[in-house]
Amino acid sequence: NAGVMQNPRHLVRRRGQEARLRCSPMKGHSHVYWYRQLPEEGLKFMVYLQKENIIDESGMPKERFSAEFPKEGPSILRIQQVVRGDSAAYFCASSPQSSGNTIYFGEGSWLTVV
Amino acid sequence: RKEVEQDPGPFNVPEGATVAFNCTYSNSASQSFFWYRQDCRKEPKLLMSVYSSGNEDGRFTAQLNRASQYISLLIRDSKLSDSATYLCVVRRNQAGTALIFGKGTTLSVSS
Repeated sequence: NAGVMQNPRHLVRRRGQEARLRCSPMKGHSHVYWYRQLPEEGLKFMVYLQKENIIDESGMPKERFSAEFPKEGPSILRIQQVVRGDSAAYFCASSPQSSGNTIYFGEGSWLTVV
Repeated sequence: RKEVEQDPGPFNVPEGATVAFNCTYSNSASQSFFWYRQDCRKEPKLLMSVYSSGNEDGRFTAQLNRASQYISLLIRDSKLSDSATYLCVVRRNQAGTALIFGKGTTLSVSS
C-alpha cells in the first residue's frame, strides 16, 4: 500500500516535552500538507511544503511549531514545549503537484498532552 | 468571516431521504472546489470534485455558483453508510496553495 504514511499514530506527551510527527507522502508525490483538527473542530491548514522548501506556512502558530521536508526522508512536524491545547489530530496529506489536484490524507497522528 | 462556511448540522434523516448541504466561500479568486467525507476519528477522503457545470456521481450531485460563491451537495436515497461529516473544500488559486476546509456538516441517517 503506497498511501500517505504517518507515525506515530498515537503519541502521549507531558506538558513541556517535544512532539515529533512524521509523514511519508505517497510514492511520486512531492508536495506535503499538514493540517490540525482539534476536538469537535474542522481541519485547519498549518503548512505546505515541497522538498526542502516551505511554500506556505500561514497557518502555523508563530511559536513552538516548525515543519520540514528534507531532500531525503519524511516530512516532520515538530512541536516544542507542548501544552494541553496542542492535543489534537494532526493529518498529513500529499499531492503530486500543486495546481488543480486533490490531496490524499494519511490516517493521522493523535497527540495527547497530559 | 471564515473563508469556507458550512451549516454544521447535524442533519438527521431517515433512510431513503434526500438531503442537501450548502457551503459558501469568501475568496472570489478561489479556483478549485471539492467535497470530502470524514468518518469519526478517520482521515478525510475525497468524495467528488465540483465543476461549474455541475456534476453527478451516482446518488451525489454537486453544484457550484461562482457568482454567489456558493457550493452545494445533494445526496439522494440516503443510506445508513452515508452517515459522516461532509467537508466543503476550496483551493484559493492554482498557484500552489493548500486546500482550505470548512468545518463540516454532520449527517446521520437512521433506519
